[in-house]
Amino acid sequence: QKEVEQNSGPLSVPEGAIASLNCTYSDRGSQSFFWYRQYSGKSPELIMSIYSNGDKEDGRFTAQLNKASQYVSLLIRDSQPSDSATYLCAVKGGAGSYQLTFGKGTKLSVIP
Amino acid sequence: SAVISQKPSRDICQRGTSLTIQCQVDSQVTMMFWYRQQPGQSLTLIATANQGSEATYESGFVIDKFPISRPNLTFSTLTVSNMSPEDSSIYLCSVEFRYEAFFGQGTRLTVV
Repeated sequence: QKEVEQNSGPLSVPEGAIASLNCTYSDRGSQSFFWYRQYSGKSPELIMSIYSNGDKEDGRFTAQLNKASQYVSLLIRDSQPSDSATYLCAVKGGAGSYQLTFGKGTKLSVIP
Repeated sequence: SAVISQKPSRDICQRGTSLTIQCQVDSQVTMMFWYRQQPGQSLTLIATANQGSEATYESGFVIDKFPISRPNLTFSTLTVSNMSPEDSSIYLCSVEFRYEAFFGQGTRLTVV
């Protein structure tokens, strides 16, 4: 069974600090990796996708992927109180696979 | 990204009744997905709906309980049948658009 593991948190960081969110996955054949942000009472919102080993940056967000270690992370620089949310890691399998497997999410609190 | 309109946004229903949730997308998409998210939990895939074919249900979900329609490439419905309090949850429609998954606003269902 494919599994995606995340530390449930809560992770608390002071405003302006770097928040680091981690995710591991069990299916070595996984090819696509996504980070979603979910505010309380709202639906998940895609913030980053990454497909190749290394780093991908988008504004204050950086996704990091290491397929050999089966590890993907999300860094949030200059964290803001508005970043307080649950962050879901999602993984899709290899070619032809269309299903996403979600982790349970990490709750992030940014303290002003 | 794809814009997804899901309704109703919330409902309170009597046990034993049924509720149909609608999902409309602003682009033609091959695959639409229905998820359930119970309080404090991650997303669980109920079924995958392709236009012109029967929906594919995940383990633990059956067509009699969660019938799905997919009449065209922009619309789908999920019915929650013969509801019990255990069906109280958030139901989410999702589509894959350019290899990324996007979500509707969700339907918060409470069964009393």
